[in-house]
Amino acid sequence: QSALTQPASVSGSPGQSITISCSGTSSDVGGYNYVSWYQQHPGKVPKLMIYNVNKRPSGVSNRFSGSKSGYTASLTISGLLAEDEADYYCTSYTSSSTYVFGTGTKVTVL
Amino acid sequence: QVQLVQSGAEVKKPGASVKVSCKIFGYTFTDYYLHWVRQAPGQGLEWMGWINPDSGGTNYAQKFQGRVTLTRDTSITTVYMELSRLGSDDGAVYYCASVYNTGWDFEYWGQGTLVTVSS
Repeated sequence: QSALTQPASVSGSPGQSITISCSGTSSDVGGYNYVSWYQQHPGKVPKLMIYNVNKRPSGVSNRFSGSKSGYTASLTISGLLAEDEADYYCTSYTSSSTYVFGTGTKVTVL
Repeated sequence: QVQLVQSGAEVKKPGASVKVSCKIFGYTFTDYYLHWVRQAPGQGLEWMGWINPDSGGTNYAQKFQGRVTLTRDTSITTVYMELSRLGSDDGAVYYCASVYNTGWDFEYWGQGTLVTVSS
């Protein structure tokens, strides 16, 4: 199972919106709505930000939203804040009853 | 509240095995699958496998098939990850993660266990 494909880096200015893509196949992203997104600050444990493509856990800001089209899922962060600077990973359930992570995206707030 | 508490850092020689534990607090142990994820220094997250704490059933990433074993002890609400034939590229932080709440997503994580492989 190959890792899902994410851009290595995305940047934006405070207040702007950015979108991170996560590309897979029919066996993972395209086949299931079990796509989730994680935020990880340096040296910290990953934090669940989005699950089931577009649902937010309790306590996660509504500036974070998710979507999916075909084999590609996306995470959008609106009203970018300095605290959003972190690494972001997508993950998907797969047809083998396994999971696969994305390659990870470093978000920089300019 | 929900907590996953992992065992401490390990230093192992190449070719050895390591066994990391993850004790669950705050919910019914057998109700939710438990996953293992690792992260090598400066690298991304890598999913390793899951265990059904109720049945003991497991599934592993193809990359780790034959080298990783997940087990559980329901009497002490603890899950174990054992990785054998360690190589230098197995040096990483190993996390357990529970799908408590959503049932599919890693909402709760252990603090991580650093495994160093060095001769």
